[in-house]
Amino acid sequence: DAGVIQSPRHEVTEMGQEVTLRCKPISGHNSLFWYRQTMMRGLELLIYFNNNVPIDDSGMPEDRFSAKMPNASFSTLKIQPSEPRDSAVYFCASSFGVLVSGEQYFGPGTRLTVT
Amino acid sequence: AQTVTQSQPEMSVQEAETVTLSCTYDTSENNYYLFWYKQPPSRQMILVIRQEAYKQQNATENRFSVNFQKAAKSFSLKISDSQLGDTAMYFCAFHIIQGAQKLVFGQGTRLTINP
Repeated sequence: DAGVIQSPRHEVTEMGQEVTLRCKPISGHNSLFWYRQTMMRGLELLIYFNNNVPIDDSGMPEDRFSAKMPNASFSTLKIQPSEPRDSAVYFCASSFGVLVSGEQYFGPGTRLTVT
Repeated sequence: AQTVTQSQPEMSVQEAETVTLSCTYDTSENNYYLFWYKQPPSRQMILVIRQEAYKQQNATENRFSVNFQKAAKSFSLKISDSQLGDTAMYFCAFHIIQGAQKLVFGQGTRLTINP
C-alpha cells in the first residue's frame, strides 16, 4: 500500500493567495484527519471526516480555512486568503476508525510558507 | 477536557543505552487507546507502539516497550539498546473509544541519541 499521499510537499505563496492542499487516504480507511503543526502550538487537529462527512471542524482557525472530502479517496484543505501566520506543516492522516484499532496513519506533510 | 502531558521537552543519551520517555494523561473515560508516535527529521509521523487501556499487559515492539499504569494515568515509553536512528521527536497520544475519534497529543519530547 502506498500510504497516505499528500501534495504538494512544499508550497511557498504570497500573502493573500489561495492555497489548496490535497490528500489521498489509505484505501479502505473511513476516517480522515487534517492536522497543523507549528513550533508554538504543536500538533493541532483542524477537522476530521468519517465516511466523507465532516464530523468535527472545531479546530479550523477561521473562515479562511475550508475542507472538503468529495469521495472516499480524496480530500482538500483550502486557505483563502492565506496569511503569514498560516505557515506550518499540514498533515493528513487516515484510519479504519475507532471500531478497529484507532491508530492513524500520517502522510508526509505539506510544508506551507506564506510570505 | 482530555489532556496529555510530556514533562521532558528534551532528552539525550548515548547509543546503546536505555532511555525512558514519560507521559501522563487525564481523562474520565475508561476505554481508550494510547500511542507513541515518532517524528524523525524527515517529519514523517510514524506509529511506534499502541496500547489498549483494557489490556493489563504492556505492549512491546522489538526494542520499544511501554509501562502502562492505568490508575496513575501514566504511559511511558522505554527504548532499549538505543540507536542513532531513534533520534526524533516522540509524541504520546490517546484516543477514546466511544465518541469523538480524535487523537489528543502531548507536546513531544525531543530525543537525541549520541554516538
